[in-house]
Amino acid sequence: DAKTTQPTSMDCAEGRAANLPCNHSTISGNEYVYWYRQIHSQGPQYIIHGLKNNETNEMASLIITEDRKSSTLILPHATLRDTAVYYCIVRVVDYGQNFVFGPGTRLSVLP
Amino acid sequence: EAGVVQSPRYKIIEKKQPVAFWCNPISGHNTLYWYLQNLGQGPELLIRYENEEAVDDSQLPKDRFSAERLKGVDSTLKIQPAELGDSAVYLCASSQGQGAGTQYFGPGTRLTVL
Repeated sequence: DAKTTQPTSMDCAEGRAANLPCNHSTISGNEYVYWYRQIHSQGPQYIIHGLKNNETNEMASLIITEDRKSSTLILPHATLRDTAVYYCIVRVVDYGQNFVFGPGTRLSVLP
Repeated sequence: EAGVVQSPRYKIIEKKQPVAFWCNPISGHNTLYWYLQNLGQGPELLIRYENEEAVDDSQLPKDRFSAERLKGVDSTLKIQPAELGDSAVYLCASSQGQGAGTQYFGPGTRLTVL
């Protein structure tokens, strides 16, 4: 079973920041938080991952709470092309540790 | 750099027929994964290869599903015979670092069994 809890769906206005929450209250000290997204009819796309510190790349920012029990993926200026299902996954970065996907959050960016 | 390549993108067959899916991972990625994705759900792992060895096939229904990764590069996933419930998207992914690395996915093959 997935170790994360995400809202089923969210809406965001185009041009505004999209903040996608994820709860992972049972996360272990050596588990990373990964985010992927899946646009309709495509395979999942890697977005970002982190362990403790906040992370930022060209796609998004990842904010992890100090107790690591939750995190937020931030798309700073959402566009219509960001409409997708977003998956939050926790995983040990080690040999043999698989990704376990939950149902994710369906983000709809509205014009 | 080319991404993970899968073919065909779409396949429609009648039940009890065989079907095969092909995957070419990112160059240099020694770990290859096959996932099954049902409508409205996240991907579920079927099998993981490290080079040519299947190191995790615990979720692969072995009565009808088989996979191979000859020479540790391309891989083929086969279903024989297909059942109505096999209609789904079959995704291939690859990663570096013996499964510890970030996974990169192909576009998937959408199978419809009639």
